[in-house]
Amino acid sequence: NAGVTQTPKFQVLKTGQSMTLQCAQDMNHNSMYWYRQDPGMGLRLIYYSASEGTTDKGEVPNGYNVSRLNKREFSLRLESAAPSQTSVYFCASSEAGANQPQHFGDGTRLSIL
Amino acid sequence: QKEVEQNSGPLSVPEGAIASLNCTYSDRGSQSFFWYRQYSGKSPELIMFIYSNGDKEDGRFTAQLNKASQYVSLLIRDSQPSDSATYLCAVTPTGRRALTFGSGTRLQVQP
Repeated sequence: NAGVTQTPKFQVLKTGQSMTLQCAQDMNHNSMYWYRQDPGMGLRLIYYSASEGTTDKGEVPNGYNVSRLNKREFSLRLESAAPSQTSVYFCASSEAGANQPQHFGDGTRLSIL
Repeated sequence: QKEVEQNSGPLSVPEGAIASLNCTYSDRGSQSFFWYRQYSGKSPELIMFIYSNGDKEDGRFTAQLNKASQYVSLLIRDSQPSDSATYLCAVTPTGRRALTFGSGTRLQVQP
C-alpha cells in the first residue's frame, strides 16, 4: 500500500511562477488536507476537503487554491509563487470526521527564489 | 495564547529512562487528541490518539488526558536513541473539521 503519495518531492521556483502540487491516497479516505510546515511553526492547515466535492479554507489559505479532483486526489496550486511560500508542504488524509487520525504523505520541499 | 502549546525542548533523557512530553490546549471543548512523531526531514507519523480522560497504553507509549486541566501527555518508557525525534501534539478544537498542531517538542535520547 502506498498510502498518501505526493509529487514532486522537491521543487525550486522563481517568484511569480505557478505550479501544482499533487496528492493521491489509496486508503479510500473521505477527507484530505494540505499543510505547510515552517521551522518553529509546526503544521499549519492551508485547505481541507471534508469529502469529495467540498473544499474549505484553513488557517493560511492566502496565495493558494485547491481542487478535489475525485475521492483519491487533492491538488494544491500556487498561482503566483512568492518567497514567503518557501516551505515543506504535506498532504494528509483521514476517514470522515475531524476526530479521525490523519495519515501523511512524504512531503514536497518547495523553494521560491 | 496559542491553541496548542508544547515546550520546544530539546528534552534530553538517558537511554532506558522514561521520557515525558507535555501539551496544553486552550479550547475546553476539544474532542480528540493525537501524538505524532517526526524524524528530521521526514513526515509526521501517528503514534497514538486518545479521546477520553485517563491513560491509554500501546507498547512503550502511554498517552494521558486530563480534560479538566486541558492537558495531554505522552510517556515513552525504556527510551531508545531511535526515539530521538520531534513529537507533535494535535487537537480537534470545538466545531473544527481539522486538527490544530502544536509546534512540537524535540526529544534527544542519549546512549
